[in-house]
Amino acid sequence: GDSVTQMEGPVTLSEEAFLTINCTYTATGYPSLFWYVQYPGEGLQLLLKATKADDKGSNKGFEATYRKETTSFHLEKGSVQVSDSAVYFCALSDSGAGSYQLTFGKGTKLSVIP
Amino acid sequence: KAGVTQTPRYLIKTRGQQVTLSCSPISGHRSVSWYQQTPGQGLQFLFEYFSETQRNKGNFPGRFSGRQFSNSRSEMNVSTLELGDSALYLCASRPYQNTGELFFGEGSRLTVL
Repeated sequence: GDSVTQMEGPVTLSEEAFLTINCTYTATGYPSLFWYVQYPGEGLQLLLKATKADDKGSNKGFEATYRKETTSFHLEKGSVQVSDSAVYFCALSDSGAGSYQLTFGKGTKLSVIP
Repeated sequence: KAGVTQTPRYLIKTRGQQVTLSCSPISGHRSVSWYQQTPGQGLQFLFEYFSETQRNKGNFPGRFSGRQFSNSRSEMNVSTLELGDSALYLCASRPYQNTGELFFGEGSRLTVL
């Protein structure tokens, strides 16, 4: 079945450092790929998405490119802020069988220190 | 526009009891999904409802069930609670069945003692 593997944290960075969170996937067909973010005490929010190979999703300074050849969707940000501290989840969609569900990675906790 | 609302936010039950969690989707959204979040297993898909019909179900025992009402509100029920059912249960809604972003609620945190 479908699966998502992302680097496990926690990751601690200083403010303005460069961020990379690796994500690779296994899927049949052509899934859409997502990054969701969960701030403390809150539900998940969509950060960015890409629906086909070579698409780049971007939002709030975060970027990720759908790489079909390496089955990857790594999340990057050039300069992190304290407010970026959260748990980040990579996910793929499976819209087969007349339904729609997300398969998530285990999540990566990011802490940004001033 | 109000977001996805889940009630209750926190609850404590004992083993063997049952629990019902409620989810009100964003107005106009007809699809509601439920996910279980635990530190060990991460986020796992429970089931999805669209137009009052269960469209898909994850790999959970029959103790986990759900339903959707004509106004798209959804409930999930867990019977004969076990310690391992302690988790954050997240509800998410979408306007359509097979496409679009999932909008998540803040979750219901269940503790089973």
